[in-house]
Amino acid sequence: DTAVSQTPKYLVTQMGNDKSIKCEQNLGHDTMYWYKQDSKKFLKIMFSYNNKELIINETVPNRFSPKSPDKAHLNLHINSLELGDSAVYFCASSPGALAGEPLNEQFFGPGTRLTVL
Amino acid sequence: LAKTTQPISMDSYEGQEVNITCSHNNIATNDYITWYQQFPSQGPRFIIQGYKTKVTNEVASLFIPADRKSSTLSLPRVSLSDTAVYYCLDTNAGKSTFGDGTTLTVKP
Repeated sequence: DTAVSQTPKYLVTQMGNDKSIKCEQNLGHDTMYWYKQDSKKFLKIMFSYNNKELIINETVPNRFSPKSPDKAHLNLHINSLELGDSAVYFCASSPGALAGEPLNEQFFGPGTRLTVL
Repeated sequence: LAKTTQPISMDSYEGQEVNITCSHNNIATNDYITWYQQFPSQGPRFIIQGYKTKVTNEVASLFIPADRKSSTLSLPRVSLSDTAVYYCLDTNAGKSTFGDGTTLTVKP
């Protein structure tokens, strides 16, 4: 069984379109994340949700909107896609962590390669 | 959380021990040090985590000096399959910032 799954694996679309990437984890974790990895392999956190509540929102354009229908799912919707949005997007999950405690091991999905033409 | 600093790339040969050092110049008291490994076309995978001194698991060892301004990931007897990008992070609760990563290439 795949612990963290993402769909689709590849997504090719035109500028200006709206698209969604879905993420599901079957680990029973409380916290889920979205990361963006650019062509230089830099990995940047975008969002973090804990029990369906947004806890981290880095400086991401508001064209990106995460949605967590339940704690096992964290979807990423992107409006008005731009060329610079082309990247690999990773979803991850971890057990909940309290401030002052180590971040528990994050489990990453296989990634979604988004190409905007 | 501050971004860490690590070498961009390293080369090694099969069977050698590899040590990758990371600088944690702005690490906070409550931060832990974590290392991840990423193979091409895959998501990062947790390797090891520590607060100070030495931690060892079945994959690697992590050395953290008393001032915690650096850490060294040690991979014993690497093989070709250890070729990957290695990231060091300062982590605290729900927050972490990945560094730029070190690309390790293991040659036969």
